[in-house]
Amino acid sequence: AQSVTQPDIHITVSEGASLELRCNYSYGATPYLFWYVQSPGQGLQLLLKYFSGDTLVQGIKGFEAEFKRSQSSFNLRKPSVHWSDAAEYFCAVGAGYSSASKIIFGSGTRLSIRP
Amino acid sequence: EPEVTQTPSHQVTQMGQEVILRCVPISNHLYFYWYRQILGQKVEFLVSFYNNEISEKSEIFDDQFSVERPDGSNFTLKIRSTKLEDSAMYFCASSGQGSAGEQYFGPGTRLTVT
Repeated sequence: AQSVTQPDIHITVSEGASLELRCNYSYGATPYLFWYVQSPGQGLQLLLKYFSGDTLVQGIKGFEAEFKRSQSSFNLRKPSVHWSDAAEYFCAVGAGYSSASKIIFGSGTRLSIRP
Repeated sequence: EPEVTQTPSHQVTQMGQEVILRCVPISNHLYFYWYRQILGQKVEFLVSFYNNEISEKSEIFDDQFSVERPDGSNFTLKIRSTKLEDSAMYFCASSGQGSAGEQYFGPGTRLTVT
């Protein structure tokens, strides 16, 4: 069955420092992969997605992620974080290729920013 | 930019009561979903809906839950007899034809069962 693992529950980085959030997935074929961000009390906003093609995908707010099939990973990166990036980040995998397919979420990584 | 909306933003109800959570998906989308997130936990899939019928449902989505698209714009989730453990944030999502799983989420309804 499909699954997503985010090994880091909570990460704290200094403002201006680089960031990498880890994500590993389990899926039998080439997956559809997503990163969502959730600010406190808010809904889920799509940061970026990978369907096929270039394994380095660019998203909103200066985020990028790299799909590595050999490592079953889809890590999220940002070269310089801002205080407004403090939020919960969820990695997710599409459970199929049709429009009706559900999304399976990881347990999330909470990002705190040190001034 | 079109967005998914949900009402109410917060619902408080007593155990055993029925609640209906409402969602207005993006207007040209055809696929609709409900997810829930218990406080401090991951987002979990409940149900997907297409062409006026359920496409898939999770183990969580038992007989106490039902979904409906009563008109051309709304998509509702009904919980017939709420339990304390139903307290959670409920997210509605929608996607378009050929979107390959790219779902747009609403802001959520926080349900508190007392």
